[in-house]
Amino acid sequence: GAVVSQHPSRVICKSGTSVKIECRSLDFQATTMFWYRQFPKKSLMLMATSNEGSKATYEQGVEKDKFLINHASLTLSTLTVTSAHPEDSSFYICSAGPGRDQPQHFGDGTRLSIL
Amino acid sequence: DQQVKQNSPSLSVQEGRISILNCDYTNSMFDYFLWYKKYPAEGPTFLISISSIKDKNEDGRFTVFLNKSAKHLSLHIVPSQPGDSAVYFCAASADTGFQKLVFGTGTRLLVSP
Repeated sequence: GAVVSQHPSRVICKSGTSVKIECRSLDFQATTMFWYRQFPKKSLMLMATSNEGSKATYEQGVEKDKFLINHASLTLSTLTVTSAHPEDSSFYICSAGPGRDQPQHFGDGTRLSIL
Repeated sequence: DQQVKQNSPSLSVQEGRISILNCDYTNSMFDYFLWYKKYPAEGPTFLISISSIKDKNEDGRFTVFLNKSAKHLSLHIVPSQPGDSAVYFCAASADTGFQKLVFGTGTRLLVSP
């Protein structure tokens, strides 16, 4: 079945560091990918829609300068958390699907811890 | 504002019995509903979906029921198996097909032998 790979699975770094997370669709092309964030005991919250070849679309309240998204190819989207601070510590997860009317497949997520 | 709610954080069921997981929503624009299953340290895995034009969809041991007037859906698993133990997320989308999902907070299901 369709597979989405996300890397790294865990990051621990100092405050002020920028962290890049990769999301790859392994056996299908995805013009659109999605980035979610999950706080403890909360639901997955959509952060942004990553669009291949164009700018990402951010949900209300998400800082686009803090969370840079690049979708340079049909199989890769990256999320960069710039100048990360402890409040950015969270679980980030991406999804992609072969088409609008097919279920999204999720990566295994990235646990980001900022010290 | 939580548009998709799973009010039961956990559910315990014996093997062989029926598991019923519930989900309520507030946005009447939602037209697709999905259930995902999540094991620890893994991403959610798609289980089953239903569109708003239907009231039931069945796939093997899994059946999803939709009651639009009550803005309520449920996932039935029968018979439940220990391998079904996981966190189950209800999700919905509005006019985006299966994309841009709004998730509930999840229900942890424990199926005991």
